[in-house]
Parts: sequence; structure tokens; C-alpha cells
Amino acid sequence: EPEVTQTPSHQVTQMGQEVILRCVPISNHLYFYWYRQILGQKVEFLVSFYNNEISEKSEIFDDQFSVERPDGSNFTLKIRSTKLEDSAMYFCASSTRQGARETQYFGPGTRLLVL
Amino acid sequence: DQQVKQNSPSLSVQEGRISILNCDYTNSMFDYFLWYKKYPAEGPTFLISISSIKDKNEDGRFTVFLNKSAKHLSLHIVPSQPGDSAVYFCAATQDQGAQKLVFGQGTRLTINP
Repeated sequence: EPEVTQTPSHQVTQMGQEVILRCVPISNHLYFYWYRQILGQKVEFLVSFYNNEISEKSEIFDDQFSVERPDGSNFTLKIRSTKLEDSAMYFCASSTRQGARETQYFGPGTRLLVL
Repeated sequence: DQQVKQNSPSLSVQEGRISILNCDYTNSMFDYFLWYKKYPAEGPTFLISISSIKDKNEDGRFTVFLNKSAKHLSLHIVPSQPGDSAVYFCAATQDQGAQKLVFGQGTRLTINP
């Protein structure tokens, strides 16, 4: 069964460093999402992406964050200058098309630890 | 932001019995609701969903009930099995915009043999 994959599974970085989290969505999916879950808290929406542009972003997704689909398969989340509070589990998700009834399928996540 | 709430952080149920997980929401614009299941070190896995035009949806051992007037939904698992032990997230979305999912805090379900 096709699945969303994410790399790396764990990332440790120093505060102020840039990190890039990578995702390979399911191949025929067109809508891509990033969510994050700070330890002990809810899964929170960060950003959605379609047709090479951001569809919607949350308040969390400030200028330090960016997303890109550099080729036909990868979808990346970049944090330019990491802060301690960016430590979280980051999940990528994808769906076939827009619509509430289109299930979003999640990857296994990248655990980011900022020291 | 407490648009979706799961007030029980944990639930323990005997194997073979019914598990009932509850979820409340405040945003009346939500029109589609989903349950995801999450094991440690994995991403959320879609379980079952329900549209606001229905009040019940069933898939095998899993049934979701929606009470729109009370802004409440519940997930019933019967019979419960040890493999059902996981964290269950309720999520809601609306059929406009980017369909971002708004999640509850999760309920950790433990099925005891």
C-alpha cells in the first residue's frame, strides 16, 4: 500500500541553525500538508500546499518557515533559524484532491530536537 | 484554540468489551469529522470519518456517531482488541479552503487482556 515517507526520522540541531525536513507524498496525491505536535500537545496544522504554492498557513508558520516542492516527488519544510520551541514531531500529509472528504494520509514524522 | 476537545486523556477497557471515545467541538462550520489512530513512533493513521449530513457511520468494529445539536461525536469500538491500544485523535474540518484538520488532544486507549 502506498505511504507517505519522511526523512530523517530524528534530527538534533543547535538553536539558530537551519533544518530541512523531507517528505515523499503518495505519488498520485496533489495536496500536501505539514503538521507538528509539540510533546504533550495537540497535532497542529502548519501549512497546506497545492500547485506549487501555499494554500493556507497557520499563525505558527511565520517567516522562519518555508515549504518547497523541489522536484516531482519531494516536499520539504525548511526552518531557517531554529528556536528551542521548534522542538516537536513534524508530520507530513498528502491527499488526492481538495475536499474535506479526501482523507489526508500521514507520514511517520520527524522528531526535531533543538538544543 | 480549543475548537476540538477530547476531555478524557486516557481510557482503559477490558478486551472484548466496548470502547467509547468522545469528542466535542465548538466550531459550527465544521462539516466533516475524522478519527485517527496513532501508535508510538508512527504518524496518525486514518480510521473512520463522518459527514455532518449523517449521524452514524460504521466500518467493521468501528462506528462513529455524530450529534450535531450537541456538537459531539463518539467512536465506538466493539469488541475491543489488544491491538486497539493506541492514542486516538478526533479531527474536524470544513469543506472550504485547504481543509486543514483541527485535532483534539487525543485519548490514550489501553485494552487489557
